[in-house]
Amino acid sequence: GAGVSQSPSNKVTEKGKDVELRCDPISGHTALYWYRQRLGQGLEFLIYFQGNSAPDKSGLPSDRFSAERTGESVSTLTIQRTQQEDSAVYLCASSLSPAGGGTEAFFGQGTRLTVV
Amino acid sequence: GNSVTQMEGPVTLSEEAFLTINCTYTATGYPSLFWYVQYPGEGLQLLLKATKADDKGSNKGFEATYRKETTSFHLEKGSVQVSDSAVYFCALISGSARQLTFGSGTQLTVLP
Repeated sequence: GAGVSQSPSNKVTEKGKDVELRCDPISGHTALYWYRQRLGQGLEFLIYFQGNSAPDKSGLPSDRFSAERTGESVSTLTIQRTQQEDSAVYLCASSLSPAGGGTEAFFGQGTRLTVV
Repeated sequence: GNSVTQMEGPVTLSEEAFLTINCTYTATGYPSLFWYVQYPGEGLQLLLKATKADDKGSNKGFEATYRKETTSFHLEKGSVQVSDSAVYFCALISGSARQLTFGSGTQLTVLP
């Protein structure tokens, strides 16, 4: 597609339920990132995928959070047993190679998750 | 570790006013610096970047200069427009890290 696509755009879930968020990166982009943006705060890094290498999971806040990506395609972020503090906008980004230097990261519009 | 400190918002200006949004950073090594912009209802977009000291990034009338001596990357525009109303994020990437580190964002509103 033309850009990074995320679905759903909005999700309301009950506390304790599991949710799955999806990200379709730009075709050909080897690097994929997930970030979380809480209200009034900056973007918090969650996880990074680069090709077939082991992902960098250093930003995942707890073992309730997990993410998968097969090759250079779609990624899913799963939050188990959701808590109210998980309410945030979850942003996905992709880049041709690891971001930095001259490489630009392209962001999706995000999934707004509300846990009630 | 890496961190970015950004000017607190929100900022409200009249059209054609001068804009400065301050950004300072802490990083290991020699970071690349970025400004991203998020227009209402849209995803983050790269506005400009600078990859080494004294570089000036510029785009759409916005400018920012990489100042290593003051560890700053302040965003400026000489004459803002209503269409510049958005949230602006300062960010960096440094060392072996492959993820961007972001500031908290500054909401800019430009009034006609």
